[in-house]
Amino acid sequence: EVQLVESGGGLVKPGGSLKLSCAASGFTFNTYRMNWVRQAPGKGLEWVSSITSSSPYIAYADSLKGRFTISRDNAKNSLYLQMNSLRAEDTAVYYCARVQEGFSDSSPYYYLDYWGQGTLVTVSS
Amino acid sequence: QSVLTQPPSRSGTPGQRVTISCSGTNSNIGSNTVNWYQQLPGTAPKLLIYTDDQRPSGVPDRFSGSKSGTSASLAISGLQSEDEADYYCASWDDSLNGHVVFGGGTKVTVL
Repeated sequence: EVQLVESGGGLVKPGGSLKLSCAASGFTFNTYRMNWVRQAPGKGLEWVSSITSSSPYIAYADSLKGRFTISRDNAKNSLYLQMNSLRAEDTAVYYCARVQEGFSDSSPYYYLDYWGQGTLVTVSS
Repeated sequence: QSVLTQPPSRSGTPGQRVTISCSGTNSNIGSNTVNWYQQLPGTAPKLLIYTDDQRPSGVPDRFSGSKSGTSASLAISGLQSEDEADYYCASWDDSLNGHVVFGGGTKVTVL
C-alpha cells in the first residue's frame, strides 16, 4: 500500500524557517518524481515544487522567490521542503504527492496519484 | 487568481447529474491532459480522473471526464450525498517552465 506521511509542520514566526518531511512507503521511491502542493485555509490548491527521481530537475512556483528548497533522500525514502523567510501568506497545509508521468499514444501525461494527509504550517507572531 | 477557471459552486439533488467546467488555454489544457481531484471535507485531495477521462481503480463510474480544445468537464451522474466535496481540475502548463496548474475548485453541494 502506497503511503505518504508528512511531518514537521507547526507554528513559526514571520521570517523564521521550517523543514517539512514526507516519508514514503509501499512503492519504489527512487523511481518517482515527487511534488509539494499547499492549501491555504479555506483556499484552493497551489503547486509549490517538484523534484525528479534522482534530483537533476527541480522546479518551484514563481511566488516562492527562492525561499523554499526541495530535496530528497532516496536511501531514506524521504522528501523534504526547507522553508526560509516565512511569511504569513505561507500559512497552509502542505501535501506531498507522487507523480505519474509518461506518454500515452504519443501524448504526455502528468498527474498526482497519491497524496499524503498534509502537515499544517502556521506563520504568525 | 487560478490559471484554470472553474465555477465556485454547483449543487444538485440526489440522483441528478452535475457537471463542472474547467477552462484553460493552449499552453495547458489545449496541449496537455487534464486531471480531476476530489477533496472531501477535512481530508487530503484524492485523484478522481486522470488523462482527461480515465478513472483510477475504486472510483465509481458515475464520475466521468471529458475534454475539448482548451476546456474540460467533470460529470457526476446519479449524485449521492457522499459526493459533497470540493473538486479541482489540474493540468501541466508548458508556458510556466513545467509547472502544474490547478483550477480554483468547485464546491459541490447535495441538496
